Amino acid sequence: DTGVSQNPRHKITKRGQNVTFRCDPISEHNRLYWYRQTLGQGPEFLTYFQNEAQLEKSRLLSDRFSAERPKGSFSTLEIQRTEQGDSAMYLCASSYQGGLYGYTFGSGTRLTVV
Amino acid sequence: GDSVTQMEGPVTLSEEAFLTINCTYTATGYPSLFWYVQYPGEGLQLLLKATKADDKGSNKGFEATYRKETTSFHLEKGSVQVSDSAVYFCALTVNNAGNMLTFGGGTRLMVKP
Repeated sequence: DTGVSQNPRHKITKRGQNVTFRCDPISEHNRLYWYRQTLGQGPEFLTYFQNEAQLEKSRLLSDRFSAERPKGSFSTLEIQRTEQGDSAMYLCASSYQGGLYGYTFGSGTRLTVV
Repeated sequence: GDSVTQMEGPVTLSEEAFLTINCTYTATGYPSLFWYVQYPGEGLQLLLKATKADDKGSNKGFEATYRKETTSFHLEKGSVQVSDSAVYFCALTVNNAGNMLTFGGGTRLMVKP
């Protein structure tokens, strides 16, 4: 069990560019969550998958954001036409069923839009 | 909606001092409550949890009691160490379909030798 892996750790991009992040969850976990954390704030829920199905999306997830989890394994989060307000830490977490036994979080991808 | 309110930091303590970080919540259903810790450069780690009223979660000398009457889940430790310096997040999840976590804003703890 290598935990939840996120890549890249850091991404600097110019405004208007597209970026894609990857999350590899713990293999036995069927649920995968994306959160966004801005500086000095707690993480905010973006979306979650149960296996390959995306079951809920937050209103924070604008049309420029898309997430996939093909075959219920790794997940990608893409942001199109990035804006400076997208600068944040993007966290991935996985769990088996609900998170009552605790989620396992990755170390995050820090996005800086310049 | 659901929300979590934590005391603002930073909280600065000397080693071996007593720690309390306050956390209160509002929830649309019956929540489970968590404390997560984030060390510099690392991901969030579950510190402790409680799933029903009057439960006490404990781990690594930290403890918190689920108080339904005051909608609180305050984190305490009797004697902090320099290695406890981190950001602490209170969070809840309601037993809905997704079990998404709602987090507080975090409290930075700095422990000085």
